[in-house]
This record gives sequence, C-alpha cells and structure tokens, in this order.
Amino acid sequence: AQSVSQHNHHVILSEAASLELGCNYSYGGTVNLFWYVQYPGQHLQLLLKYFSGDPLVKGIKGFEAEFIKSKFSFNLRKPSVQWSDTAEYFCARDTGRRALTFGSGTRLQVQP
Amino acid sequence: DADVTQTPRNRITKTGKRIMLECSQTKGHDRMYWYRQDPGLGLQLIYYSFDVKDINKGEISDGYSVSRQAQAKFSLSLESAIPNQTALYFCATSDRGTDYGYTFGSGTRLTVV
Repeated sequence: AQSVSQHNHHVILSEAASLELGCNYSYGGTVNLFWYVQYPGQHLQLLLKYFSGDPLVKGIKGFEAEFIKSKFSFNLRKPSVQWSDTAEYFCARDTGRRALTFGSGTRLQVQP
Repeated sequence: DADVTQTPRNRITKTGKRIMLECSQTKGHDRMYWYRQDPGLGLQLIYYSFDVKDINKGEISDGYSVSRQAQAKFSLSLESAIPNQTALYFCATSDRGTDYGYTFGSGTRLTVV
C-alpha cells in the first residue's frame, strides 16, 4: 500500500532558524503529495500540494517543498521560522482513489 | 458558519455504548472522509464516500460503520465503543476536480471510559 513516512517526530528550533522537515513516500502509484499544518487545538489546514510540473512548490505562510523523485522525498522548508509556526506538520499522499494517507506527523516547537 | 461542521465537539461515553458522530458540509463536495488521530500515529482513514451510494472502507474500519444520508451529511457510528477508540475524530471533504485538497472539520474528541 502507498504510504508516507516522517522521520522527525519532534523538532525544536529558535526563531529565525531555517526549517526542513523530511517526508518520504513509497514507490508506486500516482504521486500526489501534500503538506498540512495543525496548530494547537485546531484542525488541519493545507500548506501546499504537488501534482506535477515544477518540483519546487510554494505554499502559504512562506513554506515551500521540493519533490525529488530520485529520493522519493518531498521535504518541507522555510528559510526563517517564527514562534507562530509552532504546530504539527503532516505529509500526505493520495492512495490512488482521492483518499489521502498521512504520515505520523512532526511536532515543531519554535522558541522565542 | 464553518464549511465542515462536526457534532459533538467533545463526548465521553461508556464502554459498550453506541455512539454516532455527525458531519455536515456546505462546500458542495461529493467526497467525504472520516479519520481518527492518535498521538504519534498521525491520521488514519476509517471510511470514505464518493457519493451517497459509494462507501469504502479505509485502513482501520473494524468497529466502525458509516452512513451517507445525503451529499452533505456523513455520519460515523461506533456500535459498541471500547476504550482504544478514544481519539480525536476528523471529518473531511474534497472536490472531485483535479485541483483537490481536503477541507477538515474541527474534530470530535471522543473518550471511552
């Protein structure tokens, strides 16, 4: 079955530090990839998505992600994090029937 | 009003009880989904529906059932709740178009004691 994995479970950064969160997807099937963010006590919100085309995808709030087919990766990046970026981040992919499967999430804590 | 509304927001129930979680949407989307979220496990797909007559099991459907009463309503039932069904449950919708992405509800926090 198609899946995604996130190896960083908890990341702590200081404000203004650069961020990169890892996401790897399994081989096979349609590769539609997503990053979602969940702020404390809130529901998930879409940050960005990749279906095809330019492998560097820009999303909301200054986030971007790069699709690297040879590495089966879709890492999320932000050049300079803010305290308000403290949240949990989920990578997801389409299972092939417009149902998404999610990674286990990465909790980001940004210290002022 | 929220695009995707879940009720109740919080619920405590006893082991063995039947409970229904409801989801309604005003997005006009055809596709609706139920996920549960557990710490460290991310979101796991329980059931999904592409229209009123198309219901599909997800990764963890055992112990759950669903009903798609109308395009806008998708209910999740726990026929006989057990403590390991304690979790945060999310409903989501998506459009059938190529540029799709989920819209999530605010979640239902369910505790089974």
